[in-house]
Amino acid sequence: QKEVEQDPGPLSVPEGAIVSLNCTYSNSAFQYFMWYRQYSRKGPELLMYTYSSGNKEDGRFTAQVDKSSKYISLFIRDSQPSDSATYLCAMSKYNFNKFYFGSGTKLNVKP
Amino acid sequence: DAGVTQSPTHLIKTRGQQVTLRCSPKSGHDTVSWYQQALGQGPQFIFQYYEEEERQRGNFPDRFSGHQFPNYSSELNVNALLLGDSALYLCASSFSGTSDSYNEQFFGPGTRLTVL
Repeated sequence: QKEVEQDPGPLSVPEGAIVSLNCTYSNSAFQYFMWYRQYSRKGPELLMYTYSSGNKEDGRFTAQVDKSSKYISLFIRDSQPSDSATYLCAMSKYNFNKFYFGSGTKLNVKP
Repeated sequence: DAGVTQSPTHLIKTRGQQVTLRCSPKSGHDTVSWYQQALGQGPQFIFQYYEEEERQRGNFPDRFSGHQFPNYSSELNVNALLLGDSALYLCASSFSGTSDSYNEQFFGPGTRLTVL
């Protein structure tokens, strides 16, 4: 069993929809949680970083962490065709620890 | 600020050969991590360099080695290449001053390695 699980999709939504992307994890030691966006044949781009449980909002993006359920989410409001990409979750266990990535969810926002 | 840069962009090698990939971190960053990303998969951590030393390592064989220079740039070396080493190799940099700055890792565009 992988330490971080992510539905590969693809997830197809119409422009303007609210998108929900999720990851689950098995190790309760994870404390730091990140979301990256990766366009085809490019390096990942950091979107959101959160520590421990709770919500964090940045523009159209909201990250949620539920440590009791070992579940993290990324919400995208008013989705745009330019949001079409693969979304990767990542997490680490303690300060300056290596990152564990999910396999990514491919999102397609249709005009 | 040029961000994280990597070279070369693409590389084709044959089995058994050796390869060296290079990474220049974002200005102000002192920590470099290397990842391997197979097609359709998430990045897998190879190792991390800080203060010119390997600070931590993932589950990769000794064929994978690296180096960090005084200017914080880094190299990834892979010996005795196998077909399975074909992947996108990503470099990420961060500043180890605080846990927040460390966890805000920025990735380069990657080097796509093909082993024939």
